Amino acid sequence: AQSVTQPDIHITVSEGASLELRCNYSYGATPYLFWYVQSPGQGLQLLLKYFSGDTLVQGIKGFEAEFKRSQSSFNLRKPSVHWSDAAEYFCAVVGTSGTYKYIFGTGTRLKVLA
Amino acid sequence: NAGVTQTPKFQVLKTGQSMTLQCAQDMNHNSMYWYRQDPGMGLRLIYYSASEGTTDKGEVPNGYNVSRLNKREFSLRLESAAPSQTSVYFCASSEAGWWGNTEAFFGQGTRLTVV
Repeated sequence: AQSVTQPDIHITVSEGASLELRCNYSYGATPYLFWYVQSPGQGLQLLLKYFSGDTLVQGIKGFEAEFKRSQSSFNLRKPSVHWSDAAEYFCAVVGTSGTYKYIFGTGTRLKVLA
Repeated sequence: NAGVTQTPKFQVLKTGQSMTLQCAQDMNHNSMYWYRQDPGMGLRLIYYSASEGTTDKGEVPNGYNVSRLNKREFSLRLESAAPSQTSVYFCASSEAGWWGNTEAFFGQGTRLTVV
């Protein structure tokens, strides 16, 4: 069964600093991987996704993520954080062979200091 | 551009009452999902429907039932609400096929309180 682990519950960074949010997954093959962002009181918005090919994927709002098969990881990065990036971030995995369950991690809440 | 629409947005129930959360999508997606979101727990899958006419249990199905009424609509029913079901509920849809799955599109959520 697939699973997702986000080891950091809370992260605080200063505005302008770089950011890396960690995501590790468990699945028998290479799954499809996603990062979503949720602002307070809102639904979830897709940041980026990995299906296959280039292991470094670019998303919206200046985010990128790198798929590392050897580490079963899909970490999210941003070179310079803006105050508006304060939100909760979720990593998700869905299988690639006829399974349709999206499984989400527990989320990482990002706080940005001015 | 409605996307995924959930109703109601807020609901307060007494213990033992029943209710149905409605979800509709206008993107012609074949897969639909119900999640609950609790602090520190992330989104947990309650039920999903890979295609019209099929439903399957997710991670936390106990106390819930679902109906995939047609391709557009996927409802979640609480037959006898309990305080432990106080949560924010999200419906989502995606296009899925033999090749895999697209990203999921989410509704705005239903905040349910059971007293």
